[in-house]
Amino acid sequence: SQKIEQNSEALNIQEGKTATLTCNYTNYSPAYLQWYRQDPGRGPVFLLLIRENEKEKRKERLKVTFDTTLKQSLFHITASQPADSATYLCALLNAGNMLTFGGGTRLMVKP
Amino acid sequence: KAGVTQTPRYLIKTRGQQVTLSCSPISGHRSVSWYQQTPGQGLQFLFEYFSETQRNKGNFPGRFSGRQFSNSRSEMNVSTLELGDSALYLCASVLTGGSLYNEQFFGPGTRLTVL
Repeated sequence: SQKIEQNSEALNIQEGKTATLTCNYTNYSPAYLQWYRQDPGRGPVFLLLIRENEKEKRKERLKVTFDTTLKQSLFHITASQPADSATYLCALLNAGNMLTFGGGTRLMVKP
Repeated sequence: KAGVTQTPRYLIKTRGQQVTLSCSPISGHRSVSWYQQTPGQGLQFLFEYFSETQRNKGNFPGRFSGRQFSNSRSEMNVSTLELGDSALYLCASVLTGGSLYNEQFFGPGTRLTVL
C-alpha cells in the first residue's frame, strides 16, 4: 500500500540553526511533492512544490530536495526563528488522484 | 482577494444527528476538496468537486457526502454522527484548472465535536 511517513516526534532546535525535516514514501511514483505549514487551529498553508525532475528548490530560507531513488524529500529551514515553530506536512498525489498527506512533523525553535 | 471561508467555525452535535458544513472557495477557483483531520489519523482526503461534479472520493463511509453549487461553493454533510467523527474539517480550493498538483488554499476549518 502507499505510505507517506514523516517523523512523528517533535524536532527541537535552537534559533539560528538549520532545521531538517524528512518525508519518506513507498509505492508512489510521484511527479510532484508539496510541503505545507500548519499552525495550531488553522488550515495548512502551501510552502513549496517540487517536481520529480527538480532535485532541489529554494524559496527564501526554505530549501526542498527530492530524491526519487531514495523515495525521500528533505525540507530545510535555514537560520530558523521561533516564528518557524509549526507542524510541517508533505503531500503527494496518489494513483487515485487524491492528495495524500504525511502525518506531519512538529518543529519547535527555541530562542 | 478573500481567502477560503468555512462556516460554522465550531459545532457541537450529539450522536445520531446530522451536520452540514459550508465552504466558499477563493473567487475564480472551481475545485474544492474536503479533508478530515484528527490527531490519530492526520489529514485525510474526503472528496473533491470540480464544476459541480465529484471527481474523486476518499475512503470514507457513505454517511459522508458533499455537493458543489454553480458558484463553486461547496457543502459537506455527515449523517448519523458518531463519536469518531469529531475532527477538524478542512476545505481547500485550487486555482482554475483544478489540478490537485497545484497549490491547495485551505480554509480555517470547522471544528466538529460529537458528544
